[in-house]
Amino acid sequence: ETGVTQTPRHLVMGMTNKKSLKCEQHLGHNAMYWYKQSAKKPLELMFVYSLEERVENNSVPSRFSPECPNSSHLFLHLHTLQPEDSALYLCASSQESWQTGAPLHFGNGTRLTVT
Amino acid sequence: GIQVEQSPPDLILQEGANSTLRCNFSDSVNNLQWFHQNPWGQLINLFYIPSGTKQNGRLSATTVATERYSLLYISSSQTTDSGVYFCAVGGQAGTALIFGKGTTLSVSS
Repeated sequence: ETGVTQTPRHLVMGMTNKKSLKCEQHLGHNAMYWYKQSAKKPLELMFVYSLEERVENNSVPSRFSPECPNSSHLFLHLHTLQPEDSALYLCASSQESWQTGAPLHFGNGTRLTVT
Repeated sequence: GIQVEQSPPDLILQEGANSTLRCNFSDSVNNLQWFHQNPWGQLINLFYIPSGTKQNGRLSATTVATERYSLLYISSSQTTDSGVYFCAVGGQAGTALIFGKGTTLSVSS
């Protein structure tokens, strides 16, 4: 049990589909993150939410849309994805605001395949 | 931005051997973390170590911030230590963590 739960664990979707990834943290943390891990590439930060406000977006394509309704839940809405978006999507949380450099705790990830 | 380099990229060990993984970074940092990603993709935070030395069982880590490197020591390695070890650093300006490419460790019995 990691304290950060992601669903689904695996997802296969066509390029015209719309789906959502869900993340829930049970650690009482104040910041949540979405990372993308592609084969042979370092983890890439996609979005950061701190105290429910989005504070950073690393020029991620608009076909990825995050939502953070409260400090415990984070969603990543997906639409009209491309095959190159296939990757492991990881959610993480930290106790303090991300600028303070607090330790990250990751979920198990969602393995996404776009066909 | 900060550059992070990890070495070696791959490491193969027999069970019981010791190893040292290295992380070099190009600028001052206020945040450095080591992670282990198991074969199923789970990322576990091993150490939060922007400076100094910490130990947790068979694992220990040392960060020499003034010389811009960190070391992760694994002693008496076990097959369950296999996976990818990532170093991630954050800059003085409170920037988000930048991950290295990782060291892939394979421990055989």
